[in-house]
Amino acid sequence: QVQLQESGPGLVKPSETLSLTCTVSGDSISGYYWSWIRQPPGKALEWIGYIYYSGRTNYNPSLSSRITISVDPSKNQFSLKLSSVTAADTAVYYCARLQGGRTTNFDYWGQGTLVTVSS
Amino acid sequence: QSVLTQPPSVSGTPGQRVTISCSGSSSNIGNYIVNWYQQLPGTAPKLLIYSNDQRPSGVPDRFSGSKSGTSASLAISGLQSEDEADYYCATWDGSLDGPLFGGGTKLTVL
Repeated sequence: QVQLQESGPGLVKPSETLSLTCTVSGDSISGYYWSWIRQPPGKALEWIGYIYYSGRTNYNPSLSSRITISVDPSKNQFSLKLSSVTAADTAVYYCARLQGGRTTNFDYWGQGTLVTVSS
Repeated sequence: QSVLTQPPSVSGTPGQRVTISCSGSSSNIGNYIVNWYQQLPGTAPKLLIYSNDQRPSGVPDRFSGSKSGTSASLAISGLQSEDEADYYCATWDGSLDGPLFGGGTKLTVL
């Protein structure tokens, strides 16, 4: 059974950098695409970006100037950094496994972690 | 606002059949497969339908998906109280060059 677990600070100050890590267990991170998705309170899902296990990335153009997604196969982890955050970045952040490129088949999800941007 | 348009809410009584629509364009639904997600209150989304009309193992056959042109639909028959959730369509968007989610539909079982 594949399991994903997000970890990181639940509170980030405006203008600082949000950093989250997703730890994958139950399967190797190799061979798959790994994604970050967020959901502001009461709003819809928004794709942030994804990374292939080899390190190739694809980011949402609306966020690409502020995003870095990286992968550490040795730890079976991948990470998200979102810089210059504002209150609009307050959301539940999910990590998920994506079954292949050019698809929206997210078959495994983490439970999500709420990140609040506030001073 | 998402370019995949879903009704904000639908409702039905137990046993009824409801449908949720997802309207897009040639840059997304018209050229790519559609998936559907169910998000129960306070939980992560769960893949409900993939490849337009396929159900993952464990998803009841009360749930079905279809696609025609630039629109897709999710149908739920024999509505049950446990189906009360938010439902999202999702597809690849060629303009975004990435995954795109619909705005979500809240299903209320009366």
